[in-house]
Amino acid sequence: GQQLNQSPQSMFIQEGEDVSMNCTSSSIFNTWLWYKQDPGEGPVLLIALYKAGELTSNGRLTAQFGITRKDSFLNISASIPSDVGIYFCAGPPNDYKLSFGAGTTVTVRA
Amino acid sequence: DAMVIQNPRYQVTQFGKPVTLSCSQTLNHNVMYWYQQKSSQAPKLLFHYYDKDFNNEADTPDNFQSRRPNTSFCFLDIRSPGLGDAAMYLCATSREIDSYEQYFGPGTRLTVT
Repeated sequence: GQQLNQSPQSMFIQEGEDVSMNCTSSSIFNTWLWYKQDPGEGPVLLIALYKAGELTSNGRLTAQFGITRKDSFLNISASIPSDVGIYFCAGPPNDYKLSFGAGTTVTVRA
Repeated sequence: DAMVIQNPRYQVTQFGKPVTLSCSQTLNHNVMYWYQQKSSQAPKLLFHYYDKDFNNEADTPDNFQSRRPNTSFCFLDIRSPGLGDAAMYLCATSREIDSYEQYFGPGTRLTVT
């Protein structure tokens, strides 16, 4: 399937820090989704983006749909310990199937 | 709360012994998906149901089957589990086939002994 390149692969962050991660695709997407997965749980939808240039927030999370429609960014502000987990970007190269990035593993240093 | 429920959360089966995982949803969504997720990897789509229409991914082994008896329930049957089938199995739903937002259940962790 369509490959999404997600970076960084992992990050250690200090509590209180702002952090960013991004996702790129070789083809245009009409939708970008960001999920968070806690250990032993299913992914939880954080933010959905539908329009190029769109900037959407969900609490301390902010995501942007890149102007080229080939990338998206997720920012976490003022990190806290419960931000630990794996963050996946996803997008639909066709009508029903989501392509997922490989995930960014976030670990917070208290 | 409307949600996607998976039972059991943990399942242990023996090599070659058939096993069934179940998923139910109270979202009244038309589409239900089954994913396999191995450690440190992204979820991999096995198949989906759009209403009663079953759609298998080309690389899903024949060992994996699915049933959707009604809108709310969907089952994953593994006919002869191998050691390589040990994984987290995730059920997800979406409102329509072109509704890209998918909502996941908590997953079933399958161990094959």
